[in-house]
Amino acid sequence: AQKVTQAQTEISVVEKEDVTLDCVYETRDTTYYLFWYKQPPSGELVFLIRRNSFDEQNEISGRYSWNFQKSTSSFNFTITASQVVDSAVYFCALEEYGSARQLTFGSGTQLTVLP
Amino acid sequence: DVKVTQSSRYLVKRTGEKVFLECVQDMDHENMFWYRQDPGLGLRLIYFSYDVKMKEKGDIPEGYSVSREKKERFSLILESASTNQTSMYLCASSPTDRDEAFFGQGTRLTVV
Repeated sequence: AQKVTQAQTEISVVEKEDVTLDCVYETRDTTYYLFWYKQPPSGELVFLIRRNSFDEQNEISGRYSWNFQKSTSSFNFTITASQVVDSAVYFCALEEYGSARQLTFGSGTQLTVLP
Repeated sequence: DVKVTQSSRYLVKRTGEKVFLECVQDMDHENMFWYRQDPGLGLRLIYFSYDVKMKEKGDIPEGYSVSREKKERFSLILESASTNQTSMYLCASSPTDRDEAFFGQGTRLTVV
């Protein structure tokens, strides 16, 4: 069965600090997709990134970067030079190829960036 | 912009009532989903639909049913609301499988 673990329930940092959100997943499929979503206080989840299991290249998008390591079943998310607007709940999610349309979410990490 | 609209942001219902949560998307997406979000549990899939009149159970379908009579609309029904169904309910849609999902703002349902 698929499972996503976000061990960090809450993280607080001061503005301009770098912060890494951890995500560890379990799956028996060799083909799968990993996602990160952001949920600001307004409540609406916003898509950040999708990565398939055959693409282990790290990705950078502005201040955001993602580190995908199949060897440790991890898909970690780093925010560089954090800002107050980054305060949100961040969810990691997994979709197995054999369970199409069924995303399994982690429990989320509440990030608070203090001014 | 893709828009997923949920009919209510906040709802208070009594135990035993039949409750309808409505969701409409405006981008002709094939797939639609209902999730429930609870602290410490993340999002859990209740039901999803990949076509009109088609539905599939997710991880926690007990106590819920759904209806999709038109492509753009996906309704979640609580047949007889109970206090343990107090939660945040999120609707989402996606164009195809394994695509990013677009979420509504959620309905916070309280059952008293």
